[in-house]
Amino acid sequence: DGGITQSPKYLFRKEGQNVTLSCEQNLNHDAMYWYRQDPGQGLRLIYYSQIVNDFQKGDIAEGYSVSREKKESFPLTVTSAQKNPTAFYLCASNPQTGTEYTEAFFGQGTRLTVV
Amino acid sequence: GQNIDQPTEMTATEGAIVQINCTYQTSGFNGLFWYQQHAGEAPTFLSYNVLDGLEEKGRFSSFLSRSKGYSYLLLKELQMKDSASYLCATGSYNTDKLIFGTGTRLQVFP
Repeated sequence: DGGITQSPKYLFRKEGQNVTLSCEQNLNHDAMYWYRQDPGQGLRLIYYSQIVNDFQKGDIAEGYSVSREKKESFPLTVTSAQKNPTAFYLCASNPQTGTEYTEAFFGQGTRLTVV
Repeated sequence: GQNIDQPTEMTATEGAIVQINCTYQTSGFNGLFWYQQHAGEAPTFLSYNVLDGLEEKGRFSSFLSRSKGYSYLLLKELQMKDSASYLCATGSYNTDKLIFGTGTRLQVFP
């Protein structure tokens, strides 16, 4: 079955540690996104990528880094520079051929807690 | 840039109709999405509008007016399971960003 997979579902991190969240899709989608969601809030865009080996900062990129070495994979690293990393992280992908948008598919999310 | 506004919370009664509004300012507007999100879960796609007018899909309909920067999601014959957050999002061909609003939390009461 095609889809988008995030792992792990729950992640605990000590203060001062970097941690990497995985996002893999087998939908052959060009565009991939990372969002952060805090309790009772909407989704805020961290980073996005339209093509392999290229990505752009979203609205809240500070303290995060990404890579896009393969079309299928878009991992997000939460660095120690991110002062308040506890949140629900969502990865999404979208075919986005040319200027046409279609449905964005979401992974099941990773809930990160700093302890 | 992209800016989206939605009401924070709404309540309705089972069996009723509710309309959730969304206003937006998006340069290079390239479509408006509605998603449903239950607490602790990922958003699920409801609708996509890129042209003006009403799109109907079962109990859910979505309307778009590009000249007014306005959309609404209409939910008919409300069921308890419709209690969720409803997220409005816009795409931009200027920035390639897909930006979400803060969401509208809908509570359906018996």
